Amino acid sequence: NAGVTQTPKFQVLKTGQSMTLQCAQDMNHEYMSWYRQDPGMGLRLIHYSVGAGITDQGEVPNGYNVSRSTTEDFPLRLLSAAPSQTSVYFCASSYWSGSGMGDTQYFGPGTRLTVL
Amino acid sequence: LAKTTQPISMDSYEGQEVNITCSHNNIATNDYITWYQQFPSQGPRFIIQGYKTKVTNEVASLFIPADRKSSTLSLPRVSLSDTAVYYCLVGDKARGNNDMRFGAGTRLTVKP
Repeated sequence: NAGVTQTPKFQVLKTGQSMTLQCAQDMNHEYMSWYRQDPGMGLRLIHYSVGAGITDQGEVPNGYNVSRSTTEDFPLRLLSAAPSQTSVYFCASSYWSGSGMGDTQYFGPGTRLTVL
Repeated sequence: LAKTTQPISMDSYEGQEVNITCSHNNIATNDYITWYQQFPSQGPRFIIQGYKTKVTNEVASLFIPADRKSSTLSLPRVSLSDTAVYYCLVGDKARGNNDMRFGAGTRLTVKP
């Protein structure tokens, strides 16, 4: 299994440009999520999905859109990039038991995004 | 949301045992405690998870006292490759992973 894959690894955008960060997993996980990590800080949740067709906002959703048309893929779209979105973006996936179980997420390698 | 508090940084030497404590005073009945490890330029990696008492796997041990208001990650005989940031998360998956927060973590530096 490839696990969680993310593309691209690096990206430079100009302010106002749009782009999509790709995330795919081959573990048949129901739950997928996107985080951003700024220098010296922990990860902050942007959006998450508990299954195809279902998405919800996390802690810092503004400026980002997501969709989940398949179990495997969970792309993150930046609608109009801003310098404040310069960060490292991580995608993660896990099983979704629905009750009484803790979380074990598998993370991708990350996408380093710079917005000029 | 259960808030967690960890030391910002710790130093150790190769071969020593390292204990990192996490405080979570408002932990809820259904909350689990999960620890992740993150190396530079990589995504976090699951280390260990527990609910109460002691959990041990091939990498670490997790000690949770009866009141569950804190937990201690124990890394036996650390090596240079254990230098990383360690995150403690508390939450109930039934309420979604958005219920769990990554704090700033503990930056562990292992010296030769």
